[in-house]
Amino acid sequence: EPEVTQTPSHQVTQMGQEVILRCVPISNHLYFYWYRQILGQKVEFLVSFYNNEISEKSEIFDDQFSVERPDGSNFTLKIRSTKLEDSAMYFCASSGQGFGNEKLFFGSGTQLSVL
Amino acid sequence: DQQVKQNSPSLSVQEGRISILNCDYTNSMFDYFLWYKKYPAEGPTFLISISSIKDKNEDGRFTVFLNKSAKHLSLHIVPSQPGDSAVYFCAASGTASKLTFGTGTRLQVTL
Repeated sequence: EPEVTQTPSHQVTQMGQEVILRCVPISNHLYFYWYRQILGQKVEFLVSFYNNEISEKSEIFDDQFSVERPDGSNFTLKIRSTKLEDSAMYFCASSGQGFGNEKLFFGSGTQLSVL
Repeated sequence: DQQVKQNSPSLSVQEGRISILNCDYTNSMFDYFLWYKKYPAEGPTFLISISSIKDKNEDGRFTVFLNKSAKHLSLHIVPSQPGDSAVYFCAASGTASKLTFGTGTRLQVTL
């Protein structure tokens, strides 16, 4: 089965530093997402992206966050100035059509630790 | 904001028996309900879904039941196998595929 690939698997950074989390979605998918899971909490939606623009974002996705599809394969999440509370597992996902009943394919996640 | 709730953080079931995982929701605008399974160090993987216009969907050992009037759904796994041990997330979506997840239930299937 096709896979969503995320790098790095672990990222440690100092508070205030910028981080970029990288994802390679499934090649023929059109919709891309970032979710995160703080330890012990539920998986939370951050942002969805389609046709090179954000289609929806949550209240978590403030001005410190940005997403980009810099080329035909990568999809990135940037956090400009990390805070302690940004420590979480970040999951990238993709889907083909963006319909509500369509399954999302998730990557294995990037564990971000902000010190 | 707890639009999707899984009140049982963990469940232990003997191999061969039925596992029943429950989920409640509050937003009547959800159109689809999905179950995802998650192993450690992996992302969630899709298991089964149901449309809000149906009350049951079956796929092999997995059946999802939806009770719209009670805003409740459940996932039945029968027979349970040791490889089913994982965290199960209930999720809901509207017309677009943005998911609202529950907190998850850790299922352990014992020998």
